[in-house]
Formats: sequence, C-alpha cells, structure tokens
Amino acid sequence: SQQGEEDPQALSIQEGENATMNCSYKTSINNLQWYRQNSGRGLVHLILIRSNEREKHSGRLRVTLDTSKKSSSLLITASRAADTASYFCATDFPRGFGNEKLTFGTGTRLTIIP
Amino acid sequence: NAGVTQTPKFQVLKTGQSMTLQCAQDMNHEYMSWYRQDPGMGLRLIHYSVGAGITDQGEVPNGYNVSRSTTEDFPLRLLSAAPSQTSVYFCASSYSGTQYFGPGTRLLVL
Repeated sequence: SQQGEEDPQALSIQEGENATMNCSYKTSINNLQWYRQNSGRGLVHLILIRSNEREKHSGRLRVTLDTSKKSSSLLITASRAADTASYFCATDFPRGFGNEKLTFGTGTRLTIIP
Repeated sequence: NAGVTQTPKFQVLKTGQSMTLQCAQDMNHEYMSWYRQDPGMGLRLIHYSVGAGITDQGEVPNGYNVSRSTTEDFPLRLLSAAPSQTSVYFCASSYSGTQYFGPGTRLLVL
C-alpha cells in the first residue's frame, strides 16, 4: 500500500507564481524526500528532509515537515515552464533497512502555463 | 559516468513469453531496486538488493525474479509475461538515502 499521498493530484499555475504541493504519510519515518519526473523520464532527486528537521531550502525549493501531522509540503517559488513535471514524495520504509528502501506517493502533476 | 542505464527502452511481449530487463550502474552503489509505475499508482517496489548476492522482495514481487551477481548489474526477469505486467519499469541505485533512477523500460504485454 502507498505510504505517501500527494495533494493535489494536479495543479496548473501561471509562470512566475508559486506552486505548493502536499504529502501525507501514515507511519513514522526517518526522512522524507521529494523527486521530480519529467514526462517519459526517470525520477530525479530534489531534496531530502530528516525527521528532526522542520524546514529545508534548495534554490527555489522549500520543503517543510510536520511529523506530528505526518505531512510535508513542497513549495516552488517563481515557477518556470521547465518546472512542468510530476512531483513525488518518498518516505523510507517504516522498519528494517533504514533509509535506503523508499515508498513513493502517487504524485502531483504540475503544469506551468507560460 | 553514465549513472544508471536500462535496456531495452521499449519492448512488446506476447502473453507467456519471458524476458530480462537489464539494469547497470557505474557509481559503485551497493543498494539497487526495481520499481514499476502504473497510471495513478505511483511507483511500487518489485525487488531490491543491498549488495552483490543479496536480494529481497518488495511490495509487488510476484511474476518477477532478480539476481545480483555483481555490484554493477541488477537484471529483472519476467518468467511468463501477463497483460497485468504492462507497465513502465524503473531501476534505481541508492547512496545515503538518495535514489538515482534509470530512464525506464516501457513494456507492453499483449
């Protein structure tokens, strides 16, 4: 079963606007990651946030993590056409092999309108 | 440095046929995994390996076999293809929690 669920499933915004997508998960985690997938391509790692962190930045990306609510958000500021892609959150498996084994959500499809 | 490579890019099989999806990485990562991606389902883990000679099942292992004779290679075998295995298959290697994905193999089973 899916550990993470992204919301919304699809999002369309104008270029230059900010995009926010959310991820909820079910069980305790060691870390949470966000990946991007361009159409027809493999996933690309964007950012990792550990369970003891609340916020992390990388360029135009800002990720927050609320372990009490079992949720995370990904904010992309000043969106560009090249940001059009699907975005997935991934959590490490709740038990056993540490943070190498991941469970992915179903993704948010982001479309940036020029 | 090619990263993670997968072959073939696209394959059509008939029900009952077998085939091997190839995956190789040149980053010397110990951990490798196979996922399938279906519309609306995200990625689901099929099998994974924590090093040469060590493999284990993921969420959806039925109908698939893997082996890991070297650090570099992690092939996925479909024993007897079924239409339900029509999907996009991704191989990934991992280091320090970050997964590096190959470009994927699109498989169509008729």
